[in-house]
Amino acid sequence: EIVLTQSPGTLSLSPGDRATLSCRASQTISRNYLAWYQQKAGQAPRLLMYNASRRFTGVPDRFSGSGSGTDFTLTINRLEPEDFAVYYCQQYVSSTWTFGQGTRVEIK
Amino acid sequence: EVQLVESGGGLTQPGRSLRLSCVASGFTFDEFAIHWVRQGPGKGLEWVAGIGWDGGNVGYADSVKGRFTISRDNAKTSVYLEMSSLRVEDTALYYCAKDINPYGRGTTVTVLAYWGQGTLATVSS
Repeated sequence: EIVLTQSPGTLSLSPGDRATLSCRASQTISRNYLAWYQQKAGQAPRLLMYNASRRFTGVPDRFSGSGSGTDFTLTINRLEPEDFAVYYCQQYVSSTWTFGQGTRVEIK
Repeated sequence: EVQLVESGGGLTQPGRSLRLSCVASGFTFDEFAIHWVRQGPGKGLEWVAGIGWDGGNVGYADSVKGRFTISRDNAKTSVYLEMSSLRVEDTALYYCAKDINPYGRGTTVTVLAYWGQGTLATVSS
């Protein structure tokens, strides 16, 4: 099983700041088969990125994804008030589903 | 617009059953696998079960295998999750979600492109 470890657990930032979220895998994720989801309070998860760096339909370009191998990053440029949420990474290269434990981006 | 609407959650006792439903619209339902993912109170995301586009392939998490059954009715654009022998640890918000790719299998780990709002199942004595 590929274990995904997200850091930090909580990120305290102000609107307009840049957020950098990390997702580290216990094994290499080939083909960059990593996705990112956003979950706002009281809402369902929403797909943001897949294949590590491809934005899903309707996702603003202030969101970007990067990385390869075992280290992946989600960057949110110029945080908007609606971006304060919990973010999860998920790998889809193996035959076992795993999600990271989440990073909370909160207003400082 | 893609929509997934879950229902059927509620309060039940350990050992009892619940049947969750997920009604989909806004896409060609019979071309996509559908998955159930749950989220315990204050916890992260856990994949529960998946069913292939034609219903011919299903997969389950080890934690629910033998107790939960996933099925679909393409004529009703619906997916169901029959949960039996429920345990306190099954308490969660249950989401159904659509595979990003067409013609996927229920056992294939994939990207979940659209999610419903969830239905809450509470198991307590």
